[in-house]
Amino acid sequence: EAQVTQNPRYLITVTGKKLTVTCSQNMNHEYMSWYRQDPGLGLRQIYYSMNVEVTDKGDVPEGYKVSRKEKRNFPLILESPSPNQTSLYFCASSTRRGEQYFGPGTRLTVT
Amino acid sequence: GEDVEQSLFLSVREGDSSVINCTYTDSSSTYLYWYKQEPGAGLQLLTYIFSNMDMKQDQRLTVLLNKKDKHLSLRIADTQTGDSAIYFCAESISNFGNEKLTFGTGTRLTIIP
Repeated sequence: EAQVTQNPRYLITVTGKKLTVTCSQNMNHEYMSWYRQDPGLGLRQIYYSMNVEVTDKGDVPEGYKVSRKEKRNFPLILESPSPNQTSLYFCASSTRRGEQYFGPGTRLTVT
Repeated sequence: GEDVEQSLFLSVREGDSSVINCTYTDSSSTYLYWYKQEPGAGLQLLTYIFSNMDMKQDQRLTVLLNKKDKHLSLRIADTQTGDSAIYFCAESISNFGNEKLTFGTGTRLTIIP
């Protein structure tokens, strides 16, 4: 089954404690992205990747890092999480035609 | 820069047509998309339209694009309770149409029995 998986689905952590949210896709897509969803703001892109070892900033990259060492994986790293990073995070992968397939989301709470 | 706007709420009676509207600002958009998000779930791509098209129909869904006014709409015919969700429009301005999407704030569609 074609899908995008994210782990964990829910995470509660404390300020400053490094965390990684994993994302994996099995559709052999070149393009992958991370978004955060906040009430009243819709989805905002954090980072995207056009291929292995090729990443670029989206609209809200501050406080986040990504890596793309393999085509199928695109982890999101928060080196020192802060409460304003409490949000719902979505990973997506896409075809060349721009059809983005989203993961189920990771709800992160930073206290 | 890009900006995509939608109204936040829409209520429609079951069986009627729903029309969800969206305006965007970037005239160089190449693809425009409609996504559906059900409670607790990720976003599901419903349909998309290339910027040189005016209309696209897919079963109960009709997408209309007015490029001059930068206006996009999604019409859902014979709205059912299963259509209750948040609907996002999104635009892409890259040549490949998939590196970056700019989303609207979403329209919450409520179906009245």
